[in-house]
Order: sequence, then C-alpha cells, then structure tokens
Amino acid sequence: GQNIDQPTEMTATEGAIVQINCTYQTSGFNGLFWYQQHAGEAPTFLSYNVLDGLEEKGRFSSFLSRSKGYSYLLLKELQMKDSASYLCAVMDSNYQLIWGAGTKLIIKP
Amino acid sequence: DTGVSQDPRHKITKRGQNVTFRCDPISEHNRLYWYRQTLGQGPEFLTYFQNEAQLEKSRLLSDRFSAERPKGSFSTLEIQRTEQGDSAMYLCASSLASGMEHNEQFFGPGTRLTVL
Repeated sequence: GQNIDQPTEMTATEGAIVQINCTYQTSGFNGLFWYQQHAGEAPTFLSYNVLDGLEEKGRFSSFLSRSKGYSYLLLKELQMKDSASYLCAVMDSNYQLIWGAGTKLIIKP
Repeated sequence: DTGVSQDPRHKITKRGQNVTFRCDPISEHNRLYWYRQTLGQGPEFLTYFQNEAQLEKSRLLSDRFSAERPKGSFSTLEIQRTEQGDSAMYLCASSLASGMEHNEQFFGPGTRLTVL
C-alpha cells in the first residue's frame, strides 16, 4: 500500500528553527510537495523536490532523499503566523498526489 | 487568493438530500482535481479531469458521487442522497500539466458540507 508518515503535532518557539519530517512508501515517485494549511483554509504550495538534496526558498527549505524515502521541511526564524498544518504529499507513478495527514505546528512566544 | 474559486463556501443539508458544488479553476489550467478533507487529515483524492475528460475516479468514491467538467472549464461535483459521513471540506484544485511535467496544484477555498 501507499503510506505517508509525518508527526501529528509539533511545538516550537518564535524565532527558533523547526524541522518537520516526512517518510513515504508509494508506488512510484514523481516528486514530493510540501503545502501549508491554516485552520479552515485551503492548502497553499510551499515547495517541490524531485531530485535529492536541499531546496531553499527564503525562511523555508525542503530536503529529499529518494533512497531513504525521506523528506523534511525546515522553517527558520519562526513567526507566529507560521502556526499552521504542514502537509507532505508524494506524486506517485500515476501522477496522483498521495497526502500525509499533516503536522500541526504550534508556535509559542 | 489563488485564482481558483468554489461555490458555495458552506452548505448545510439534511440527510437524503442532493447537493451540487461548483469549481472555477484558473483559466489556462487543463487539470482539475476534487478532494475531500476531514479534520486532522490530509486531502483525500476523489477524481480528476484533464480538459473535459474524467481520467480517474477514486475506488473509495461511491456511486452517489458524480463529477462533470462539460466544457473543460468549470466543474461540478454532485452528491446524491447525502449521508452524515459525507460531512467534510470539499476542495478543488487546478494545475497546468503538459506532457510529463506536473506543476503545483492551486487550491480553491473549499466548500464545507454539513449533513444533519
């Protein structure tokens, strides 16, 4: 079967750094996406990795290791507005997105 | 605002009634997806269209669910004889896909369905 695992909830302090991990087992791999979703709102795109390595975009970075079936999202200089759920999604061999349940990130002052 | 719109934003209905939702994707996007999301879960794939063709439908989707995209632009999702278990957020997303390239999906604000 296809499976995406990520922690249910994490807590971090404003100004700090947090790493959200995602492991996956899917039928084929055509890229991994990270989306941010605030409560009651739709997901918004953060990053896309298809090759191994680190992609940096401002305060957010995403890493991929295809051999390990592993990715992480790194958030630096945390702000209160970063409190949200972070969804990991893998595009499988049929080019369909398989979604994790999301990691709820709580930022404390 | 991603450019994808959905209507209505909220729908409350009684069990057994039919409901229809509409999605207007970004105009140049050829792919349109429907997802369902419940609290604390990621989006669950329902179906998707490339232009007007419905290319895939989730095996989890019962016959009470039907979707159309008649002119390859807007899409409708109908749920017949609604059940309380259908209560969820229904998300629409669109993307521009050509050949083997698959770009990010842009999501609409969703339609929250409550079945009483």
